[in-house]
Amino acid sequence: DIRMTQSPSSVSASVGDRVTVTCRASQAISGWLAWYQQRPGKAPKLLIYSVSTLQTGVPSRFSGSTSGTGFTLTINDLQPEDFATYYCQQTDTFPPTFGQGTKVEVK
Amino acid sequence: QVQLQESGPRLVRPSETLSLTCTVSGDSINTHSLMWIRQSPEKGLEWMGYIYFTGSSNINPSLSSRLTMSVDTSKNQFSLRLTSVTAADTAVYFCAAGDIPPNWAYYWGQGTLVTVSS
Repeated sequence: DIRMTQSPSSVSASVGDRVTVTCRASQAISGWLAWYQQRPGKAPKLLIYSVSTLQTGVPSRFSGSTSGTGFTLTINDLQPEDFATYYCQQTDTFPPTFGQGTKVEVK
Repeated sequence: QVQLQESGPRLVRPSETLSLTCTVSGDSINTHSLMWIRQSPEKGLEWMGYIYFTGSSNINPSLSSRLTMSVDTSKNQFSLRLTSVTAADTAVYFCAAGDIPPNWAYYWGQGTLVTVSS
């Protein structure tokens, strides 16, 4: 299975901050990458798919990108409702696999 | 708006079979891939498999010897059966739906915690 590694495991931030989460795959996955947000006690919610496409209804302060070393989720102007755990997922190779999560906490 | 709801026993004895059903409302299951994903502190999010309305399925090889999926189009439901469970199968089980072919899970059930214990 492809191993997805996220960093950092947690980040402390304040409302209005910019937060960046990185995800690296153990092998090439092309553009088959998504980001999910999960609030405590809730199901994950799809935010971004195909690396950078925003799911309908997701605020534009969320963005996804890729560089030579991995994939990045950026949250600009962090809002109170953004404090949650974020997961990346690859679907390039079966079975799809998830990262271990990055918790965005209140500073 | 597509909504999913898991149902089934919350407590299963070791070595027995875990069975869950997902009821889909707001759209026909014929237009979606239907997935099961589970989450535990030990393993994190684990994608279990998917099934189409035709009954064609694809299961995570790590579970393929114990997991079967089925679909009931007349009830707009799909189900999973996981045999020979152990404590390691204790998790929150989510049903989800996505496009055909399956990639992203666009819609999720609320999840149901299933505990394996005697």
